[in-house]
Amino acid sequence: TQLLEQSPQFLSIQEGENLTVYCNSSSVFSSLQWYRQEPGEGPVLLVTVVTGGEVKKLKRLTFQFGDARKDSSLHITAAQPGDTGLYLCALRNFNKFYFGSGTKLNVKP
Amino acid sequence: ETGVTQSPTHLIKTRGQQVTLRCSSQSGHNTVSWYQQALGQGPQFIFQYYREEENGRGNFPPRFSGLQFPNYSSELNVNALELDDSALYLCASSPIFNTEAFFGQGTRLTVV
Repeated sequence: TQLLEQSPQFLSIQEGENLTVYCNSSSVFSSLQWYRQEPGEGPVLLVTVVTGGEVKKLKRLTFQFGDARKDSSLHITAAQPGDTGLYLCALRNFNKFYFGSGTKLNVKP
Repeated sequence: ETGVTQSPTHLIKTRGQQVTLRCSSQSGHNTVSWYQQALGQGPQFIFQYYREEENGRGNFPPRFSGLQFPNYSSELNVNALELDDSALYLCASSPIFNTEAFFGQGTRLTVV
C-alpha cells in the first residue's frame, strides 16, 4: 500500500489547457513537497507546503495543501510543452522519505 | 557550488553479481539519501546517511548497504543482484534539518 496516492497516473493535454493533479494520503503529514522529474534526470523540488489550507504559486503553477493536511493538489494554468514531465509528491517522516508514484504529464504543442 | 554527481550513469550487471554506485554530494551538504526508482514508479527510499552513520532505512533487504565518507561522498552497494534490482538509482544530498533534497541524475542499473 502506497503512503501517498497520486492521480491521475497519466495525463496528455494540448498546449494552453489547464490541469490539476492530486496527491492523497490516509495519514496526516506535517509538510509535503512537490517535485518534477524530466526523463534522464533526478527530481527537482518545486515547492514545500506546510500549513493546512496553504496556497503557494510558482508562475503558472498553484499548489494547495488541504485543510486537514492529508491531501494536496497542483494546478497548472495554460500548460506549455516545457511542463512535460513526471510530477511527484513526497513527504518526510522523521528520517524516512516517501514519494508517490507520480503523474506523468505530456503537453502537446 | 557544484551539484550532486553520480557515477556511472549506466551499468549492466549479471544476476548474482555485486555492484557499487557512487555519489558526490553538493558542497556544504552533510546528509545523503539513496533511492530506487523502478520504471514508471516514484522513487523508493533505501536509506539515509548523516555524518557517516546510517540514519534511517526503508524496506530494503540487508544486501543493500551503504557508506558515507568524511568528505560526505557516498556509496551504495548491492550484493547478490536480482533481476528486480534493475532500476534508476538516485542519490540526493541535503543540509540536515533542511527538507529540500538535491538529486543527482541517477545511475541506470540493468541486471540480466
